[in-house]
Order: sequence, then C-alpha cells, then structure tokens
Amino acid sequence: EVQLLESGGDLAQPEGSLRLSCAASGFNFSSYAMSWVRQAPGKGLEWVSTICGGAISTDYADSVKGRFTISRDNSRDTLYLRMNSLRPEDTAVYYCVRDHRDWGQGTLVTVSS
Amino acid sequence: DIQMTQSPSTLSASVGDRVTITCRASQSITTWLAWYQQKAGKTPKLLISKASSLEGGVPSRFSGSGSGTEFTLTISSLQPDDFATYYCQQYNGTFGQGTKVEIK
Repeated sequence: EVQLLESGGDLAQPEGSLRLSCAASGFNFSSYAMSWVRQAPGKGLEWVSTICGGAISTDYADSVKGRFTISRDNSRDTLYLRMNSLRPEDTAVYYCVRDHRDWGQGTLVTVSS
Repeated sequence: DIQMTQSPSTLSASVGDRVTITCRASQSITTWLAWYQQKAGKTPKLLISKASSLEGGVPSRFSGSGSGTEFTLTISSLQPDDFATYYCQQYNGTFGQGTKVEIK
C-alpha cells in the first residue's frame, strides 16, 4: 500500500523559512516523479513543484520560483520542500503527490506575524 | 506557463442530471490531462488520467474526452455522492480553478 506522510508544517514569520518532508513507503520511490501541491484555506488546488525520480530535473510554479527548492533523498525514500522568504499567501495545506493518484494527508503551513 | 481555464465555477444540478465541465488549456497539451474529485475535508481523488482513461474503481457514469486544448468531464447521471468540487490538471503542473457541483 502506498503511503505518503508529510511533516514539517508550522507557523512561520513572513520572510522566514521552513522545510517540509514527505516520507514515502509501499513503492519503489526512486522510480517516480514526485510533486508538491498546496491548497490555501477555502481555495483551489495549486501545483507547487515537481522533481523527477533521479532528481536531475525540477520544475516550479512561477509563484514560488526562486524561493522554494524541491529535493529528494532516494536512499531514505523521502521528498523535501525547502521554503524560504515565506509570504502570507504561502499559507496552505501542502500535499505530497505521487503520479497524480496518491496523495498524502497534508501538512499545514501558516505564515503570519 | 500553460494556463488552465475551467468552467463553470459553480454548477447547480439535480440527481439524475447529465453534467458537463469544460477545461481549456492555453496551448496544446495533447491528452496530458487529469480530472480529480475533491470532497470537503478530503484529499483529491483521481478520476480520469490522460484525458479519457477511467481510473480503477471509478463509476462508469464518469467520462472524459478531448485533446489539444479543449477537454470535458461528463457525469452521465448525477448521483448524491457526486456533489463535490472537480479540478482538471495538465500533467506538467497547472490546475484549473475548480467547479463546485451543488444540489439544485
């Protein structure tokens, strides 16, 4: 059974930083591209970033480019999202997603002073 | 970046109605499109991949069609369990704004 468990969400100050993690199990992690998708309270889904299985290729939404960094450790079956220069509009539940089908339960990031 | 425009944003319908949601891409994405259903407080559920491939366990009343820049999700006979919000997504990232299907 595929499991994706996000962690690291917290209350952060504007211009602050956070690192999210997603622990994966139940599949060959290194064989799959992985994505982060977020959803602000009461709003729609927003794709954030994707990384290929071998971590060679990454892609970002314009709204986070230059501030967020996606990475992965295939030896630990873990996906990361480093978030710098946080803004109030980054407040959202952040989901780890595999292959469009499998979603974690999400971790809440709140950016507020 | 490719923009995805979904319409309508809200749809009021009755049980048994045929419902169609449209998603338009700002440039061709061939058939690299997914459709999701999201219920309140739940994670999104993949309904259709590659524009028209129904995921396992998804009722056959759901269907997807289209290619290039125009796509549709159709529910042939709306059931009580189908009242939810639906999203399209092009495979390289962008989601549509969502369509909330409400009880009329």
